[in-house]
Amino acid sequence: DTAVSQTPKYLVTQMGNDKSIKCEQNLGHDTMYWYKQDSKKFLKIMFSYNNKELIINETVPNRFSPKSPDKAHLNLHINSLELGDSAVYFCASSQRQGGGYEQYFGPGTRLTVT
Amino acid sequence: SQQGEEDPQALSIQEGENATMNCSYKTSINNLQWYRQNSGRGLVHLILIRSNEREKHSGRLRVTLDTSKKSSSLLITASRAADTASYFCATEGGGKLIFGQGTELSVKP
Repeated sequence: DTAVSQTPKYLVTQMGNDKSIKCEQNLGHDTMYWYKQDSKKFLKIMFSYNNKELIINETVPNRFSPKSPDKAHLNLHINSLELGDSAVYFCASSQRQGGGYEQYFGPGTRLTVT
Repeated sequence: SQQGEEDPQALSIQEGENATMNCSYKTSINNLQWYRQNSGRGLVHLILIRSNEREKHSGRLRVTLDTSKKSSSLLITASRAADTASYFCATEGGGKLIFGQGTELSVKP
């Protein structure tokens, strides 16, 4: 069974469109994350949720809106997509919040905005 | 701000050789983690080393931590082609993990 799964794996869309990425973890973890990895492989945290509560919200445009319906799911909705949004987006989870816990990553969603 | 910085950015070795990657960071830490990312995949956790530990082993991996120099190293012994990947160190800052830009390791058969 996949521990952290994301859908879709690839997403190609035009500027101005709205899209969503879904994430699910079956590890029973309390904390989930969204990361963005750019073309230079720089990985930056966007959001973190702990038991459905938003705890980290980095300086991300408000076109990005995360939603956690329960602690096993964390979705990412992006409005009015821009060329600069093209990147690989990773979902991750950890047992608890904080840097003392290993994080489990999903396979990533490669978003291409044309 | 970026916390961990890996060195070298890229490393190419022959199968069977050892590979050493270094990570330097700026502020005090409670622990440091290393991750591997195969091409087109998500990151996989390798080792977590706490600030009161100097060395940790896991199979062919050896991680050292020198808090006085604010640096860590990851040694992969007897490398294999399957070790080809990007390796990242990550430190905690503001309750979140901050990743370096990684070392791209290429192991040639």
